[in-house]
Amino acid sequence: EDKVVQSPLSLVVHEGDTVTLNCSYEVTNFRSLLWYKQEKKAPTFLFMLTSSGIEKKSGRLSSILDKKELFSILNITATQTGDSAIYLCAVENTGNQFYFGTGTSLTVIP
Amino acid sequence: SAVISQKPSRDICQRGTSLTIQCQVDSQVTMMFWYRQQPGQSLTLIATANQGSEATYESGFVIDKFPISRPNLTFSTLTVSNMSPEDSSIYLCSVAYGQEVSGAFFGQGTRLTVV
Repeated sequence: EDKVVQSPLSLVVHEGDTVTLNCSYEVTNFRSLLWYKQEKKAPTFLFMLTSSGIEKKSGRLSSILDKKELFSILNITATQTGDSAIYLCAVENTGNQFYFGTGTSLTVIP
Repeated sequence: SAVISQKPSRDICQRGTSLTIQCQVDSQVTMMFWYRQQPGQSLTLIATANQGSEATYESGFVIDKFPISRPNLTFSTLTVSNMSPEDSSIYLCSVAYGQEVSGAFFGQGTRLTVV
């Protein structure tokens, strides 16, 4: 059965901390792995990863994919209260099906 | 990425009534999906909206309860029928470009409360 597992389920940190969010997957016919940030309703797109070992970076956020070990990490450095959100990981297969993890709820305390 | 307009943004409805949610995309997309996100949970796929034909429903979701239309490549509607408080949820429209471009993008979501 295809699945995506995220860990931890929730995380509370202080401003300035660095966090690492994990996403492992078992999806046949992998096409891409996607990270989203969900604050209120709609998930907003962060990164799409298709190749192993190539880090994608956007400001304080970065992500990397390991297709051999079937996982990805999302790093957030120097966290701010505005980073508080649910972070969703999804995997797309070549049939354009998307599998979502349960998300990691991040709370950043001032 | 596509600009996706979803409306209404939120609604409070009486049980037994129906609500239709609209999703409009500013460009032609291959795939359109409808998700439900119940409080504290991740996204659950309701169905894939197929242009010009019946939607493909996931296990646990039926057309009578969640009729879906997709008359063209840029527009879809999801109706939540005969609502009960258990239908209170966020409903999300999502689009993808299929084989052309990887990834999925979301509308703003509809927060539905059934009283």
